[in-house]
Amino acid sequence: NAGVTQTPKFQVLKTGQSMTLQCAQDMNHEYMSWYRQDPGMGLRLIHYSVGAGITDQGEVPNGYNVSRSTTEDFPLRLLSAAPSQTSVYFCASRVGGTVNTEAFFGQGTRLTVV
Amino acid sequence: AQKITQTQPGMFVQEKEAVTLDCTYDTSDPSYGLFWYKQPSSGEMIFLIYQGSYDQQNATEGRYSLNFQKARKSANLVISASQLGDSAMYFCAMRERGNYGGATNKLIFGTGTLLAVQP
Repeated sequence: NAGVTQTPKFQVLKTGQSMTLQCAQDMNHEYMSWYRQDPGMGLRLIHYSVGAGITDQGEVPNGYNVSRSTTEDFPLRLLSAAPSQTSVYFCASRVGGTVNTEAFFGQGTRLTVV
Repeated sequence: AQKITQTQPGMFVQEKEAVTLDCTYDTSDPSYGLFWYKQPSSGEMIFLIYQGSYDQQNATEGRYSLNFQKARKSANLVISASQLGDSAMYFCAMRERGNYGGATNKLIFGTGTLLAVQP
C-alpha cells in the first residue's frame, strides 16, 4: 500500500528554471493538497483540489500552478523558480466530504533554489 | 479568520512522564475539526488524534489524549508515559466546514512544538 507518493525527494533548481513536483495517491481520495513547510512557520497551504477538474488556491498560491486531471495525480508546477520557494513541499490526500477525516501526507520534497 | 496558535516552541520531558502540548485556535465556524500531527526528524507527517467540534468527549488514542476546552478554544495534546521515540515536532491543525457541501480542504497548521524526551 503506497499511500501518497511524492517525487522527487530532493531537487536543486537555478533561479528562473521551471519544474513539476509529482504527487500520486492510490487510496481513491477525493481531496488533495499541496503545502510548503518553512522553519518557524508550520505548514502553509498552497493549492488544493476537491476532485478531478476542481482546484482552488490556498494561503500562499503565488508562483505555483496546479491541475487535477485524474483522481490519483495532483502535480505542482513552479513556472519560474525563485529563492523564496526554497522549502519542503508536502502533498496530502484525504477522503472528502466532512471535517473529520485525517490527511495522509507524502514523504516530502526538499527543494532548493539557488 | 481561522488561526492556530502553539506558544511553546520547544519542551523537555523526562522519559515516562506525561507532557501537555498547548494549542489554541480561532474560528467563527461552529463546525470544525482539530488534528494533531507528529513530525519526527525523518520528516514525515504522522496523524495522531482528531477532535470534532461537536464531540462531547475528549478524544483518546493510546497514549495520546486531547484536552478539548471549547469555551476557551483550546485543544491541548497530552502524551502520557513519554518515550524516547516521542521526541519530534508536534503540529496542531484545524479544518473548518467549507463551501463544497462538506468540509474545505484547508487544513491550517500552527507553528509546532519541538518535544525532546530525556532519558
